[in-house]
Amino acid sequence: EAGVAQSPRYKIIEKRQSVAFWCNPISGHATLYWYQQILGQGPKLLIQFQNNGVVDDSQLPKDRFSAERLKGVDSTLKIQPAKLEDSAVYLCASSLLTGSKIERKLFFGSGTQLSVL
Amino acid sequence: DQQVKQNSPSLSVQEGRISILNCDYTNSMFDYFLWYKKYPAEGPTFLISISSIKDKNEDGRFTVFLNKSAKHLSLHIVPSQPGDSAVYFCAATSRVGQLTFGSGTQLTVLP
Repeated sequence: EAGVAQSPRYKIIEKRQSVAFWCNPISGHATLYWYQQILGQGPKLLIQFQNNGVVDDSQLPKDRFSAERLKGVDSTLKIQPAKLEDSAVYLCASSLLTGSKIERKLFFGSGTQLSVL
Repeated sequence: DQQVKQNSPSLSVQEGRISILNCDYTNSMFDYFLWYKKYPAEGPTFLISISSIKDKNEDGRFTVFLNKSAKHLSLHIVPSQPGDSAVYFCAATSRVGQLTFGSGTQLTVLP
């Protein structure tokens, strides 16, 4: 079974530039998450999708971050403009939807390491 | 407001001995708890979980204990192996998919 795919693995940009990350979840997983992990901290949820709808984006800094999952499969997370404090690993995760129940075990991709200079 | 806390940033253990990683939580609505393991440059991988209706769950060398009254859980690894060296994250959820993570504990198993 193929895992969660993310690209790119690494990205270095200057502050005020824009950047985009891509994620393809495990086939058949209806629920997709983006997490931000700052060095020395645990992952923090940014946004949760179920199919192509947003379930929770309360922690997403909407003035600069945006995310979409247009066809209910892969997803893109964008930052525009980037700030120094956005330097982090951006993790995508997915989980199975069984009937109306979202499985609580999340499968994570390898992440994108973003450095903002 | 840290709802899930891992107070030990690091732990070193001799190979073959027991590793005990601890986690405390404050939100009494949490009803499902998970441990994830993370190697450098990889995403977290699921290790073991426990529902709040249980106080223990075992999977091979890994056992998770839950003390609801103390809002405390622990992960025991017996015997510890050098390949277990990684960062371990405790996570909790009260709603499906909404995982709240601790800050992690770096486990080093010395040969």
